[in-house]
Amino acid sequence: EAGVTQFPSHSVIEKGQTVTLRCDPISGHDNLYWYRRVMGKEIKFLLHFVKESKQDESGMPNNRFLAERTGGTYSTLKVQPAELEDSGVYFCASSQVPNGELFFGEGSRLTVL
Amino acid sequence: AQSVTQLDSQVPVFEEAPVELRCNYSSSVSVYLFWYVQYPNQGLQLLLKYLSGSTLVESINGFEAEFNKSQTSFHLRKPSVHISDTAEYFCAVRRAGGTSYGKLTFGQGTILTVHP
Repeated sequence: EAGVTQFPSHSVIEKGQTVTLRCDPISGHDNLYWYRRVMGKEIKFLLHFVKESKQDESGMPNNRFLAERTGGTYSTLKVQPAELEDSGVYFCASSQVPNGELFFGEGSRLTVL
Repeated sequence: AQSVTQLDSQVPVFEEAPVELRCNYSSSVSVYLFWYVQYPNQGLQLLLKYLSGSTLVESINGFEAEFNKSQTSFHLRKPSVHISDTAEYFCAVRRAGGTSYGKLTFGQGTILTVHP
């Protein structure tokens, strides 16, 4: 069974550009989470989808970040326009049930120059 | 709100030596506690967790952690480490019950480097 997959693994863009990160959860997992780790800091929660609905988006830093999960399958996280402080590793995780074990992807590293 | 402090950012040890990675947390409500491990070029993997019951929990690869409520700690230990244990380890908490689901609060991570 395939795990959580994220694409791209690494993205380098210039300040002001747009980047879209994609996450494919484990098949059948209704719960999908985005986390972010800024260099040298802790991993922080961004938001939680249950199917296509946003259950909790309290961790989204500002309105330059837009997360979608159309159809309740894969999810995208768009950063527009990107700023220097957006650099970091973006992790996606999924779980089958709300309080179930989280399975993490390898992360997408974003570098904003 | 919860917070997690991992007291050591880096821990170098020699192979077959014991190791302890320290984790303290703060929370005004009951929490579940977790240790995750990230090996190079891989995603985070759950190492072990405390939800309830025995305060000593073990992983399949020889790690153990003990929940100490009075000291609000959840230190990770292994009596004899291997080269393959080299990784970054993250302590995390989640509010018990409620609707917080998978909203974890992580510590800053501890890089464990095992030398031959």
